[in-house]
Amino acid sequence: NAGVMQNPRHLVRRRGQEARLRCSPMKGHSHVYWYRQLPEEGLKFMVYLQKENIIDESGMPKERFSAEFPKEGPSILRIQQVVRGDSAAYFCASSLDRGSSYEQYFGPGTRLTVT
Amino acid sequence: RKEVEQDPGPFNVPEGATVAFNCTYSNSASQSFFWYRQDCRKEPKLLMSVYSSGNEDGRFTAQLNRASQYISLLIRDSKLSDSATYLCVVTLQMNYGGSQGNLIFGKGTKLSVKP
Repeated sequence: NAGVMQNPRHLVRRRGQEARLRCSPMKGHSHVYWYRQLPEEGLKFMVYLQKENIIDESGMPKERFSAEFPKEGPSILRIQQVVRGDSAAYFCASSLDRGSSYEQYFGPGTRLTVT
Repeated sequence: RKEVEQDPGPFNVPEGATVAFNCTYSNSASQSFFWYRQDCRKEPKLLMSVYSSGNEDGRFTAQLNRASQYISLLIRDSKLSDSATYLCVVTLQMNYGGSQGNLIFGKGTKLSVKP
């Protein structure tokens, strides 16, 4: 019973390149959340998706960041034209259903380094 | 004011000590409360939910005071393996479907248990 999977685990990009982070939720989970953890900071919510729908993107930066969760395949967090300030750990979580009574299970994270 | 504030730490304690973490939250609409544990460079994992009546799980006791908007975690007889960062987490009630999706994290308090 695989947990939440994220890849790549480590990603190095030069300034101006694109970063694509993938998240495969736990089997049977259709709710996906993305969080970002800057160095020495707490996790911050970015976006909440269900299959083919963005439910809440209130934590997403207005520019350069986008997310999707297609009918088939993993959820993708895309960062265009990366800058040094995007260097962080990006965690994906999934849950069986919406709401705080459903535990969110976290993936191991993708550590993005922008050089 | 930050939504969730925690003791700055770090806490350095000997094995067998009792240690208490405190957390305050600013939004009175906060609905659910949790303590997560995050090991160095790993994903956060749910330690326990926190209920108004208080709850205990082995050596761990969590308390919630809604009037003071205060949450606590007590660890008794601390072990070396308890060394980690402890994250106070809340959720809000949202209007798009009742219970909220995303978790709001405190910055965390680092605990180091020494032999």
